[in-house]
Amino acid sequence: GAGVSQSPRYKVAKRGQDVALRCDPISGHVSLFWYQQALGQGPEFLTYFQNEAQLDKSGLPSDRFFAERPEGSVSTLKIQRTQQEDSAVYLCASRSPSGPTQETQYFGPGTRLLVL
Amino acid sequence: AQSVAQPEDQVNVAEGNPLTVKCTYSVSGNPYLFWYVQYPNRGLQFLLKYITGDNLVKGSYGFEAEFNKSQTSFHLKKPSALVSDSALYFCALIPGDFNKFYFGSGTKLNVKP
Repeated sequence: GAGVSQSPRYKVAKRGQDVALRCDPISGHVSLFWYQQALGQGPEFLTYFQNEAQLDKSGLPSDRFFAERPEGSVSTLKIQRTQQEDSAVYLCASRSPSGPTQETQYFGPGTRLLVL
Repeated sequence: AQSVAQPEDQVNVAEGNPLTVKCTYSVSGNPYLFWYVQYPNRGLQFLLKYITGDNLVKGSYGFEAEFNKSQTSFHLKKPSALVSDSALYFCALIPGDFNKFYFGSGTKLNVKP
């Protein structure tokens, strides 16, 4: 596609509910990133994929957070047993493997998660 | 350790006046620095980056930024602000593998007519 897409754009969950957030990267981008942006803060790194391999998951805040990219394209970020502190905007980004823009990550519109 | 600081939560400027949004950084190794802009309910949009070369980097929408190694700064500038520039601006640092951004806390730019 023309840009990174994310769905749903908004999600309201009850505390304890599981949620799944989807990211569809730019076609041809092998690297995919997830960030968490709390209200009034800058985005913070969660995890990173190269193709289907999850190469860095150091930013995942707890074992309730799980990300996958089984076919090296679409990625899903899953949060189990959501807590109120999980309320944030979840941003996905992708990066080209080569060329003059290879250092640049391109971001999707984000999914705003509200846990009640 | 890597970190980015944006010392101003908010910058107010009149339309037509020059604007500066400040950013300082700390990094072990070469700094690779970016500016992104975020409009309400939208993701981050890339503005410009410094990887190597000329210290003055030009980007989208008339923005530019000056890399200053001695002052560890990468301030965003524009000669003449527009009301439509009002948004949230993030400075970011990435290590040499380009895999993990460290973002500042953001600066809200308000341009008044």
